[in-house]
Amino acid sequence: QLQLQESGPRLVRPSETLSLTCTVSGGSIISSFHYWGWIRHTPGKRLEWIGSIYYSGSDSYNPSLKSRVTMSIDTSKDQFSLSLTSVTAADTAFYYCARRGICTGGSCGLDLGYFDIWGQGMMVTVSS
Amino acid sequence: NFMLTQPHSVSESPGKTVTISCTRSSGGIASNYVQWYQQRPGRAPTPVIYENKYRPSGVPDRFSGSIDRSSNSASLTISGLKTEDEAHYYCQSYGTANPVVFGGGTELTVL
Repeated sequence: QLQLQESGPRLVRPSETLSLTCTVSGGSIISSFHYWGWIRHTPGKRLEWIGSIYYSGSDSYNPSLKSRVTMSIDTSKDQFSLSLTSVTAADTAFYYCARRGICTGGSCGLDLGYFDIWGQGMMVTVSS
Repeated sequence: NFMLTQPHSVSESPGKTVTISCTRSSGGIASNYVQWYQQRPGRAPTPVIYENKYRPSGVPDRFSGSIDRSSNSASLTISGLKTEDEAHYYCQSYGTANPVVFGGGTELTVL
């Protein structure tokens, strides 16, 4: 059974870089049928998609965060990572990594599928 | 880019039926598929509906989804409510300028 687990510092200083890693276990990160994504949830606010990455390294980001976000993937370790620069208190949130299927009913596309497997999430606080 | 607007909260009694709406601000609701996620306290979200109306494996048929072009909205309906259905529910769709959009979430209380 495929599982995802987030790891990284739980406290980040303002203006510094938030770095998280998601480790995939019970399966391979190399899949033609899935993207791997980061989503955050600020208490009291909506879920916010941060970005997604394919095993080839092809990525896409939320336009509101794009200038500060970089994602990478290491297929040898079945891991993908998130880097968010110049953080502020507004970046304090629960961060989830998730797998997104992009194929359903025999068709594949970036407007198909859903986030089917999620990590347990981790709270990251931005504070001095 | 568009936004997805949900009611902040809904409540209903056990055994009853409740419907949660998700209204798209611009562009047609049918332009992109809508997904629904359930998030219980302290847990990660889990999908309950994908592509407007399909249930992932393991989701009971008490959960159903639909879209309404006239109101430009999607709906999640839960019938035969159980206390275990108490959770936050989020709609989600795909866009062009912003590839993945989530709604603000609806807190369902079963009392």
